Amino acid sequence: GDSVTQMEGPVTLSEEAFLTINCTYTATGYPSLFWYVQYPGEGLQLLLKATKADDKGSNKGFEATYRKETTSFHLEKGSVQVSDSAVYFCALRSNSGGSNYKLTFGKGTLLTVNP
Amino acid sequence: NAGVTQTPKFRVLKTGQSMTLLCAQDMNHEYMYWYRQDPGMGLRLIHYSVGEGTTAKGEVPDGYNVSRLKKQNFLLGLESAAPSQTSVYFCASSILDRQTDTQYFGPGTRLTVL
Repeated sequence: GDSVTQMEGPVTLSEEAFLTINCTYTATGYPSLFWYVQYPGEGLQLLLKATKADDKGSNKGFEATYRKETTSFHLEKGSVQVSDSAVYFCALRSNSGGSNYKLTFGKGTLLTVNP
Repeated sequence: NAGVTQTPKFRVLKTGQSMTLLCAQDMNHEYMYWYRQDPGMGLRLIHYSVGEGTTAKGEVPDGYNVSRLKKQNFLLGLESAAPSQTSVYFCASSILDRQTDTQYFGPGTRLTVL
C-alpha cells in the first residue's frame, strides 16, 4: 500500500538558518504530493503541492520538488523565521484505482525556530 | 465563510460513555473525512464520505460510526468510549475535482477517555 516516510524530529534551528525536511514515498502510479503545516493549537493547512514529476511547489518561501526517480519530495526553506515553528506533514494522494481522493500522511516533523 | 468547524473543542469521557463529534462545512464540498492524530503516528483516516448518504471505512474504523445525513455535516460517533480512543480528532473536506485536491481541515477536537 501507499506510505510516506519523513525525517524524525524534532528539528531545532536558529532564525535565518536553512531548513530541509526529508520526505520519501511509496505508491503505485503517479501520486500527487503535499506538504501540510500545523501551527500550535490549530488544524492542518496546505503549505504546497505538486501533481506530477519535476513539478516544484512553493509557498511562503518554502519549496519542494517532486522527484520521481528518487521518490522524494523534500521540503526546503532558505531562511527560517520564528513564526515557522510548527509541525510539518508530508502526504500523498494516490491517483490510481478507487482511492484517489484519500491522503496518506507521514508522521510529522516538529520544527522549532529560536530567535 | 467559516470553512470547516468542529464541535466540541474539548471533551473528557469516562470509559463506556458515548458521544458524537460534529463536523460542518460551508464550502459545498462533496467529500468529508474524519482523522485521528496521535503522537508519533501522524494522521490516520477513520471514516470518510464521498457524498450525502454515503460513508466508508478508512484505516482505523473500529469503535467508531459515522453518518452523513446532510451534505454539509459529517458526524463521528463513539458508542462505548475506550482509553485507546484518547486522541485529537480532525475533520476535513474536499471538492470532487482531481485538479483541485486540497483537503481543508477543521481546528480539531481533543478527546480524553478516562
